[in-house]
Amino acid sequence: LAKTTQPISMDSYEGQEVNITCSHNNIATNDYITWYQQFPSQGPRFIIQGYKTKVTNEVASLFIPADRKSSTLSLPRVSLSDTAVYYCLVGDKDSGNTPLVFGKGTRLSVIA
Amino acid sequence: ETGVTQTPRHLVMGMTNKKSLKCEQHLGHNAMYWYKQSAKKPLELMFVYNFKEQTENNSVPSRFSPECPNSSHLFLHLHTLQPEDSALYLCASSQTMAETQYFGPGTRLLVL
Repeated sequence: LAKTTQPISMDSYEGQEVNITCSHNNIATNDYITWYQQFPSQGPRFIIQGYKTKVTNEVASLFIPADRKSSTLSLPRVSLSDTAVYYCLVGDKDSGNTPLVFGKGTRLSVIA
Repeated sequence: ETGVTQTPRHLVMGMTNKKSLKCEQHLGHNAMYWYKQSAKKPLELMFVYNFKEQTENNSVPSRFSPECPNSSHLFLHLHTLQPEDSALYLCASSQTMAETQYFGPGTRLLVL
């Protein structure tokens, strides 16, 4: 399993764009990159997934450089409700036999 | 989301009690998981079931006993717990073991 490294915490003001970078130097050819968001006292929820280049949905964007050794989750114009822990996971979603592993995540605090 | 449900949502038990946590998924998934999350700490994977067969037991004490009667239901039987077992217990499911996990709302457990 590829290991991931993320900053432990980040602070941001409301209305700013937040970029959380995840390092995964040992990512395998078939691994995808998946990000989850977890609010206090709730289970994590899927935000976005990608393999290479850029993926965008209604919640966030995911930027993946050509070497795929890192990825950046971008949250546009954050609000107080975006305060949460964000997890970066890598794994071969088509393997069917190895569960994704959650690390410590990045605790984002949005300040008014 | 109501794809994964957990009952009870809150539980207070004494160290000599026996109780069970229930998880049900309505997503047609084949893999189910139990996680423990203590306050301000990372998710700890406890057990994984794939097609009703247990595939992982991450050194969990025997006072926690999982049961998976079918692909839609997962139980966690608790007996003679310790105060340090107080935590949020989360259930998740995924189509296959490597795919996106969908979490339930969790059971907040307090052991007195």
